[in-house]
Amino acid sequence: EDQVTQSPEALRLQEGESSSLNCSYTVSGLRGLFWYRQDPGKGPEFLFTLYSAGEEKEKERLKATLTKKESFLHITAPKPEDSATYLCAVQAVGTGRRALTFGSGTRLQVQP
Amino acid sequence: GAVVSQHPSRVICKSGTSVKIECRSLDFQATTMFWYRQFPKKSLMLMATSNEGSKATYEQGVEKDKFLINHASLTLSTLTVTSAHPEDSSFYICSSQPSFNEQFFGPGTRLTVL
Repeated sequence: EDQVTQSPEALRLQEGESSSLNCSYTVSGLRGLFWYRQDPGKGPEFLFTLYSAGEEKEKERLKATLTKKESFLHITAPKPEDSATYLCAVQAVGTGRRALTFGSGTRLQVQP
Repeated sequence: GAVVSQHPSRVICKSGTSVKIECRSLDFQATTMFWYRQFPKKSLMLMATSNEGSKATYEQGVEKDKFLINHASLTLSTLTVTSAHPEDSSFYICSSQPSFNEQFFGPGTRLTVL
């Protein structure tokens, strides 16, 4: 069974204070690891897809990295508008399924 | 990115009534869409996979007679919550994957059953 564990559950940062969010996963075969941002009362907003260990992707203040067991979402010099819940999800190969298995998310609060 | 819409965004209904939620892919054709459910401060849980022109595939523990899914066209999937009860109150979100690289989610529908 595919499993995704995110840590920490919640994180409070001061504006400009860089940090990293962790996503550990177990999957029979990884097709892709997805990162999303979710604001309260809204659907997840797509950020990145990573496919193989060593891969990195960047978007503004966010950088996602991937190893064989985990992924990190690095936030550099965050701003209050980066406050949201960040979700990690995996998609497995081999079964024909394209649905995602999600972690429980990290609630990030960036204070001015 | 691709756009997925949902309607309504919010619905309040009485216990025992049925509620229909629509999910549309606005700029691509979707042979498969997914329906998720999210409880407050919890993650998304897959309910079912909606397949255009065929029956939906339900996850274990999801009652197919309670959550009716119809995917009649390449741009529209509907989820009908039949005989809704307060425990069905939740945030329902659909998604679709226009390409191998991305999966996009709708804005969600907040259902409150009184």
